[in-house]
Amino acid sequence: GAVVSQHPSRVICKSGTSVKIECRSLDFQATTMFWYRQFPKQSLMLMATSNEGSKATYEQGVEKDKFLINHASLTLSTLTVTSAHPEDSSFYICSARALGGGPLNEQFFGPGTRLTVL
Amino acid sequence: QKEVEQDPGPLSVPEGAIVSLNCTYSNSAFQYFMWYRQYSRKGPELLMYTYSSGNKEDGRFTAQVDKSSKYISLFIRDSQPSDSATYLCAMRDAGGTSYGKLTFGQGTILTVHP
Repeated sequence: GAVVSQHPSRVICKSGTSVKIECRSLDFQATTMFWYRQFPKQSLMLMATSNEGSKATYEQGVEKDKFLINHASLTLSTLTVTSAHPEDSSFYICSARALGGGPLNEQFFGPGTRLTVL
Repeated sequence: QKEVEQDPGPLSVPEGAIVSLNCTYSNSAFQYFMWYRQYSRKGPELLMYTYSSGNKEDGRFTAQVDKSSKYISLFIRDSQPSDSATYLCAMRDAGGTSYGKLTFGQGTILTVHP
């Protein structure tokens, strides 16, 4: 099956620093990757959609200058949380959609990255 | 009002019970309906998806969609302790500018105890 990895799985940083999270599709090419944020006992909230080689599309209320997304290749997207603050602490999950993904255009999810900002 | 409403539970049932999970939605443009299972501190995995109204069965799982009522359900028969997880409904429209974008329910926390 399609596998999506994320790195790191867990990161703790100090307030004011920047953190980069990588999302990779391991055995397929992903034209589109999605970044979600999930707070405890809450649902996944879409932050942005990124297409390879173009600028990401951010959801309303998500600061694009704070959450930098780069989708440089068909297998890699990165999310950088700049000048992180404690309220940015959350579970960040990416998903990837394959080329020619059929009628469902299924998204395959990564295992998530737990960010804690002190 | 949220586009997708799902009772967060928690729901606790004995092993072997039939579990019923439900979501309601308000956006009539939603055409694809999915159920994901998410174990603690892991990413969601797709369990089932449906496109049209009606039932779809896969092993112990049955997904049901009623577009007229904007209501979807997931039934789990003969529930097992390994089914303990958070179940998320998700849905999306057929295309257009929001192509591929999923809208998730809050998730229902299910515990199946031996």
